[in-house]
Amino acid sequence: DAGITQSPRYKITETGRQVTLMCHQTWSHSYMFWYRQDLGHGLRLIYYSAAADITDKGEVPDGYVVSRSKTENFPLTLESATRSQTSVYFCASSEPTSLRSNEKLFFGSGTQLSVL
Amino acid sequence: KNQVEQSPQSLIILEGKNCTLQCNYTVSPFSNLRWYKQDTGRGPVSLTIMTFSENTKSNGRYTATLDADTKQSSLHITASQLSDSASYICVVSAEEYGNKLVFGAGTILRVKS
Repeated sequence: DAGITQSPRYKITETGRQVTLMCHQTWSHSYMFWYRQDLGHGLRLIYYSAAADITDKGEVPDGYVVSRSKTENFPLTLESATRSQTSVYFCASSEPTSLRSNEKLFFGSGTQLSVL
Repeated sequence: KNQVEQSPQSLIILEGKNCTLQCNYTVSPFSNLRWYKQDTGRGPVSLTIMTFSENTKSNGRYTATLDADTKQSSLHITASQLSDSASYICVVSAEEYGNKLVFGAGTILRVKS
């Protein structure tokens, strides 16, 4: 959907490098999420944010850092990339929250990251 | 063990035919069960959301059913079209874990002409 955009679309990096994946949404949704998708596995939650300046760990947070200084942006940083972080990363947003209600999650188109 | 299991892993059908995708889950109690469609190279898009008290929910040619007693859900696609080719993901919201969403690995559907 045009309301949530991720960049870059593709990224190749080397082990040990810092990488930041960007996520921007135009709906002013309170909640934003980062997931990773690996072949043969369901999406797994890395981090989520309930509002600006509020973030919390998900299922697989190790090696990742997030921030949310503005409601519309939720960047994900790999501080020192490892080969195991090769994956497709999806950002999503929801209002008020899909964790406690039937609200839909809206996903971006993903960033395909390869760590060599 | 994955708490949400989907079957089959992949499926090929002819255009115009119907098909049914299965989802078995062990998550309990749960708040809701969702089906998403994910086109290649795109993010998942919501098809249906059902609470534990709902038995069926439709969205056009897509009909989801839920049996909370047997912990099974199915997604039935009627009169398939080439554009239905995608991965279909079953997602359960787990009350026990603060309503965390547990994703299945998906069923890859290919519709052939």
